[in-house]
Amino acid sequence: AQSVTQPDIHITVSEGASLELRCNYSYGATPYLFWYVQSPGQGLQLLLKYFSGDTLVQGIKGFEAEFKRSQSSFNLRKPSVHWSDAAEYFCAVNYGGATNKLIFGTGTLLAVQP
Amino acid sequence: GAVVSQHPSWVICKSGTSVKIECRSLDFQATTMFWYRQFPKQSLMLMATSNEGSKATYEQGVEKDKFLINHASLTLSTLTVTSAHPEDSSFYICSATGQETQYFGPGTRLLVL
Repeated sequence: AQSVTQPDIHITVSEGASLELRCNYSYGATPYLFWYVQSPGQGLQLLLKYFSGDTLVQGIKGFEAEFKRSQSSFNLRKPSVHWSDAAEYFCAVNYGGATNKLIFGTGTLLAVQP
Repeated sequence: GAVVSQHPSWVICKSGTSVKIECRSLDFQATTMFWYRQFPKQSLMLMATSNEGSKATYEQGVEKDKFLINHASLTLSTLTVTSAHPEDSSFYICSATGQETQYFGPGTRLLVL
C-alpha cells in the first residue's frame, strides 16, 4: 500500500539553528508532494508543493524542500528557525487520479527552544 | 488566495442532537472537498470525499448515515453529525481542492456532552 513516513515524531531545535524534517514515500510513480504546517487548534497551512520540474522548491516562511527521486524523499528544510515555527508538520502525497486524495505522514512535532 | 473557511469554529451539543458544519471555499471553486477527523496528537483521518452535485464517497469504517455530507455548490460542502454521541467529539477539518492542491479550513472542534 502507498504510504508516507515521517521518521521523527518529535524534534527540538534551538532558535536560529537549521532544521531538516524528513519525509519518505513508498516507491511508485512520482507523486505530487506537499508539506503542511499545523499550529495547535488550527487547520493545516500549505508550506510548499512539488509537482514537477526543479527538484528544489521554495515555500512560504523561508522553508524549502528537495525532491530526491532516488531516495523517494521530500525533506523540508529551513536555514534558521524562529520560535514561531514551533508547530506540527505534515508531509503528504497525492498519487493522482480523479480523487486527488492525500496520504499523510504521521507528523513531526517541532519544538523551538530559546 | 485559496482561502477555506469553516463554521462554526467550535460547538458544544447535547448527546442525541445533530450538528451541521459548513466548509466554504472563499475565493475559488472546488468541485471536490474532503472531510477529515483528527484525534489529539494524531494525523488526519480522511472521512469522505465530497463532490459537487453527486453523492459523497465515504472511507471504510465511516458511517454514511451518521455523517451526512452535502456538496450543494462549488463553494460549499456541509457535514452533519446526526444523533451525536460523546465518542463523536473530535476536531473536524475540511479541505477544498484547487489546482490539484488541497487547501484546508481552520477546523471545527465538536464536544458532545
